[in-house]
Amino acid sequence: DSGVTQTPKHLITATGQRVTLRCSPRSGDLSVYWYQQSLDQGLQFLIQYYNGEERAKGNILERFSAQQFPDLHSELNLSSLELGDSALYFCASSPRQGNYGYTFGSGTRLTVV
Amino acid sequence: AQTVTQSQPEMSVQEAETVTLSCTYDTSESDYYLFWYKQPPSRQMILVIRQEAYKQQNATENRFSVNFQKAAKSFSLKISDSQLGDAAMYFCAHHTGANSKLTFGKGITLSVRP
Repeated sequence: DSGVTQTPKHLITATGQRVTLRCSPRSGDLSVYWYQQSLDQGLQFLIQYYNGEERAKGNILERFSAQQFPDLHSELNLSSLELGDSALYFCASSPRQGNYGYTFGSGTRLTVV
Repeated sequence: AQTVTQSQPEMSVQEAETVTLSCTYDTSESDYYLFWYKQPPSRQMILVIRQEAYKQQNATENRFSVNFQKAAKSFSLKISDSQLGDAAMYFCAHHTGANSKLTFGKGITLSVRP
């Protein structure tokens, strides 16, 4: 157990639907990062939050949004889902900066049918 | 922008032998950090080793060591005495600082032959 909790582990939904992925960072970590890993692709950075504020944005689609709550857990919202959104979505956390690397959750496998 | 390149998509090694996984990166920063992550079939991302760019000494973690060539912007991972459990996808990653994200290469799939 890495200390980063992601729920749900698996999600199957239809095109056009909206889903919410949840992440609880490791205790004491203030930064949360979201990554997308598609089939045969590396990890694509989506967005970073630090202590409730958005800090960095990657190639995140407008249909996707995220937030970090006062208790530091984070949610990634994916709407108007398309087949191409099927992927493994990782949440990771770090204490403040990422200089010592990130601790990753086990991911949420999203399948859009 | 930082980029990380892993040009070998796949590699294979005999159990108990040594294998080296290559990685190059590009950055304009002088202070940065480099990582190797392992992703076994379980898909969990596991930190293998970390290197600070300002340290000339190559990092070592048990059977895992790196060859860090700062001028060449090269950061290879050497796995000694390969074990069946080392079979996984390995990602090289780069990080520059407080407001920077961890940038990953596309990964390399390592298989271990018994």
